[in-house]
Amino acid sequence: DAGVIQSPRHEVTEMGQEVTLRCKPISGHDYLFWYRQTMMRGLELLIYFNNNVPIDDSGMPEDRFSAKMPNASFSTLKIQPSEPRDSAVYFCASSLSRGRETQYFGPGTRLLVL
Amino acid sequence: KQEVTQIPAALSVPEGENLVLNCSFTDSAIYNLQWFRQDPGKGLTSLLLIQSSQREQTSGRLNASLDKSSGRSTLYIAASQPGDSATYLCALYNTDKLIFGTGTRLQVFP
Repeated sequence: DAGVIQSPRHEVTEMGQEVTLRCKPISGHDYLFWYRQTMMRGLELLIYFNNNVPIDDSGMPEDRFSAKMPNASFSTLKIQPSEPRDSAVYFCASSLSRGRETQYFGPGTRLLVL
Repeated sequence: KQEVTQIPAALSVPEGENLVLNCSFTDSAIYNLQWFRQDPGKGLTSLLLIQSSQREQTSGRLNASLDKSSGRSTLYIAASQPGDSATYLCALYNTDKLIFGTGTRLQVFP
């Protein structure tokens, strides 16, 4: 298996622009997680899905952030409009179950908002 | 609210030393605990997962222990190598969320 795939790997955009991050989880995994990593706050869970349904989005910082999972093999995290404070590394992870199995992380998308 | 702290924040040692990385947490009602490794510019790789009913797990030169009563976990790295240089993160499953520690940045020099 190719593991969790994320695209793009790097994104540089200007404040106010829309940003869309993409994730393909490992085939057969029921859970998909979106995280954000910054120097100040470390790794934070933004939202997670179970069987394509959003379960907990309490970590989504603002209404500017939205996430979708239209099918079992694809998810997007969208920021509209983007702001400089959104600059971070965004990780997608997937797992077979929420508790007993390990989470497998993608390589991340490094976002810089100017 | 669960808080996860890792000490030390950074560590630099010569090759061959045995190391202990520490992770402490405030709420002992955890589901399990994982140790991850993160290389610069890369994602996280799971090293060891300890279920709440277990006390330790071993994989090669790595051994992780869990003491829920004291709110502590340790990651022991035997005979460290330059290839072990990375950031090590502990993470707890608290109900349905993985809560990450602050990380320990390890450098092993030849």
